[in-house]
Amino acid sequence: DADVTQTPRNRITKTGKRIMLECSQTKGHDRMYWYRQDPGLGLRLIYYSFDVKDINKGEISDGYSVSRQAQAKFSLSLESAIPNQTALYFCATSDLRVSSGSRTGELFFGEGSRLTVL
Amino acid sequence: AQTVTQSQPEMSVQEAETVTLSCTYDTSESDYYLFWYKQPPSRQMILVIRQEAYKQQNATENRFSVNFQKAAKSFSLKISDSQLGDAAMYFCAYRSPYNDMRFGAGTRLTVKP
Repeated sequence: DADVTQTPRNRITKTGKRIMLECSQTKGHDRMYWYRQDPGLGLRLIYYSFDVKDINKGEISDGYSVSRQAQAKFSLSLESAIPNQTALYFCATSDLRVSSGSRTGELFFGEGSRLTVL
Repeated sequence: AQTVTQSQPEMSVQEAETVTLSCTYDTSESDYYLFWYKQPPSRQMILVIRQEAYKQQNATENRFSVNFQKAAKSFSLKISDSQLGDAAMYFCAYRSPYNDMRFGAGTRLTVKP
């Protein structure tokens, strides 16, 4: 099983609908992220969370909200989807605690959720 | 804010040849990490190689190596003996400790048989 799991993998919806993308992880990491990928723009950060009580906006948070239900779960919601939110969405986790002795800085990604808004 | 620039939207290489993908970044920090991620058509994000800024030695992972020029803020990826399976989108990324990761726009690599 994947360490970082995203559901759904693919979704087609209509303008104005509410959509939730879910992410769960078994890596035991504190930090979780939601990125959006668009052609020619790379990956851009939507929201990130350093623990259950800490939620932070990224560079493109407008039109999105998140919920960190537990250390292992981080959901992204589109309250009223619009066509320019059509994109590939990635959840990622990391563990950069110096005390862990593993200062790799690496992000571990889910397999992505492709969302199409008609 | 830190920015990452990949100036080559597309590159191509002949199988078994060598190709270099370019990346530059902008930062005022002295401690950070640099990464190259590969995204094949399966869309999975796969870490190719990692470089810590405090290390002067360039990172190497089998056929993949980097040329890290800290003063020039340059971080290029060299792929030797290119294989068909290397065809993918490659993303350069920057991360400072305890902060989020910033990505370049990506370079699409085609490998010709």
